[in-house]
Amino acid sequence: NAGVTQTPKFQVLKTGQSMTLQCAQDMNHNSMYWYRQDPGMGLRLIYYSASEGTTDKGEVPNGYNVSRLNKREFSLRLESAAPSQTSVYFCASSLTGEGTEAFFGQGTRLTVV
Amino acid sequence: TQLLEQSPQFLSIQEGENLTVYCNSSSVFSSLQWYRQEPGEGPVLLVTVVTGGEVKKLKRLTFQFGDARKDSSLHITAAQPGDTGLYLCAGRRSTSYGKLTFGQGTILTVHP
Repeated sequence: NAGVTQTPKFQVLKTGQSMTLQCAQDMNHNSMYWYRQDPGMGLRLIYYSASEGTTDKGEVPNGYNVSRLNKREFSLRLESAAPSQTSVYFCASSLTGEGTEAFFGQGTRLTVV
Repeated sequence: TQLLEQSPQFLSIQEGENLTVYCNSSSVFSSLQWYRQEPGEGPVLLVTVVTGGEVKKLKRLTFQFGDARKDSSLHITAAQPGDTGLYLCAGRRSTSYGKLTFGQGTILTVHP
């Protein structure tokens, strides 16, 4: 079982470059999430998608855009990368409803120089 | 300020000691979860609590949801080196339309 698959695992960008982080899940989940993880900050929600065709901002959406391409895929785009976006990015998915378990990918370590 | 405040941020103890990690908020949560994360991996769910006052046990780990559903605690009895890791609380509010919010995390190190 693949679960949640993120690509790439590592990426180095120059300031101002753009890139898209890909995420796909094979568990037929409606809800998908993008988080960033910085030291001492836990996981902060960037964007959330409750279902195909819907997206909603999280705590730290500035500088990011997302696309819920279909039920399986949820991509995160950095249009003009900044050093402040250096972080580890995690995609997650879950069933809809209270108390449902979130399943995470293995993360993308992004460095912006 | 974070919606969920975890304390302590760091915990370094000897094998066999007991410890408690706290997760507090001024908001009411309809469910609270605890996750554990290993280096280089994504978080993995340990437990979910949904009822105020609920207590759940997972071997040496005891989880409690506050009566007012604004706080939770994780207690580990007789900690072992294998318990070392990052512990994260996370919750959903009824007004947040399914968004899952995390605390800052507690880095636990258990020395042999």
